[in-house]
Amino acid sequence: LAKTTQPISMDSYEGQEVNITCSHNNIATNDYITWYQQFPSQGPRFIIQGYKTKVTNEVASLFIPADRKSSTLSLPRVSLSDTAVYYCLVGVINDYKLSFGAGTTVTVRA
Amino acid sequence: GAGVSQSPRYKVAKRGQDVALRCDPISGHVSLFWYQQALGQGPEFLTYFQNEAQLDKSGLPSDRFFAERPEGSVSTLKIQRTQQEDSAVYLCASSSGDSYGYTFGSGTRLTVV
Repeated sequence: LAKTTQPISMDSYEGQEVNITCSHNNIATNDYITWYQQFPSQGPRFIIQGYKTKVTNEVASLFIPADRKSSTLSLPRVSLSDTAVYYCLVGVINDYKLSFGAGTTVTVRA
Repeated sequence: GAGVSQSPRYKVAKRGQDVALRCDPISGHVSLFWYQQALGQGPEFLTYFQNEAQLDKSGLPSDRFFAERPEGSVSTLKIQRTQQEDSAVYLCASSSGDSYGYTFGSGTRLTVV
């Protein structure tokens, strides 16, 4: 699995946009980029997945440049309930051995 | 069911005690996974089942850890002779196999005293 690097923590305020960048210099041709969100006392929850360019869903957007060596998760207009740990993962589709790393702790303040 | 259910939610075990952690996956999900999450860390892979077959158990930390899924649905993770370093949250996830996003349960927090 490709190693990923993401910030340990980020602080934000309600209503702001939060962008978390993940580096994955050794991403392989068949690898996809996936983000999970984890609230305290809960298991990780799948947020979004992409291969290249931009993917958007009701929760977030994922921006992937042409070289795919990094990706940015964008959370629009965050609220207090978006406080969580966000994990960036790379790997092939249906790879069961997910490599989470330490994630990015996002704290949203009022 | 609607989600992955794990029980118990919390377990305190005395060192040396055996424990069994249960996972009820989403009905019909073929794939089932166990992960271990230490405090402040991301989840780490333990083992993977496809139906009743355990296809990968390379992440199990020692031979004190044993997992089974005899009928291809409910799974049990058993830890024998628990040690303090076994204290962690044990997460179960399941997948239908047609997407990369797995559904995780809320986990069992095991504390060994």
